[in-house]
Amino acid sequence: QQQVKQSPQSLIVQKGGIPIINCAYENTAFDYFPWYQQFPGKGPALLIAIRPDVSEKKEGRFTISFNKSAKQFSLHIMDSQPGDSATYFCAASLINNDMRFGAGTRLTVKP
Amino acid sequence: KAGVTQTPRYLIKTRGQQVTLSCSPISGHRSVSWYQQTPGQGLQFLFEYFSETQRNKGNFPGRFSGRQFSNSRSEMNVSTLELGDSALYLCASSLAEQGNTEAFFGQGTRLTVV
Repeated sequence: QQQVKQSPQSLIVQKGGIPIINCAYENTAFDYFPWYQQFPGKGPALLIAIRPDVSEKKEGRFTISFNKSAKQFSLHIMDSQPGDSATYFCAASLINNDMRFGAGTRLTVKP
Repeated sequence: KAGVTQTPRYLIKTRGQQVTLSCSPISGHRSVSWYQQTPGQGLQFLFEYFSETQRNKGNFPGRFSGRQFSNSRSEMNVSTLELGDSALYLCASSLAEQGNTEAFFGQGTRLTVV
């Protein structure tokens, strides 16, 4: 069962562009929303995370926007670089890191 | 500071066999979670351990089990392997005593069942 819906499935942008990845959830018991970046052959790496009492969080070139009433959150990558090409996963966590992941977005940043 | 270490990195087993995977968390982390990653089902939560106790369990059959030792290292066992168990198995460690905190993943163990 897909408790977190992620879109788009794939995304291609030019270097310097701002890719946006969207996620939606239904279970209001989720209270922690991390984003992970995964390169081929590697485990997911934590990028940034937000809690539902905050509407936006920025760390470096990565920004999470969170809309609690709409039960949606999104990742923006500013000034994207070819090195950002990877698969990105959103997740929503119940208690004790029981995370439910989106299906992933394969991002390609063209030079 | 060393990251999460999973061993072995790759494993090939025959259907019907059993397998044990190991995870050493980041020093000081007492929570270890296990996930299965497949192209079809994505990342799915298996279970979470804290202080040698399983606190949460995902929707997997009883063939999947785990344990945690007093030094927080964790093992995951799959018995009576099926072809569909072929996947990347990931563990993640965190400080969390209660609630959700930053979870850091290892590189995973790639299990192939033939």
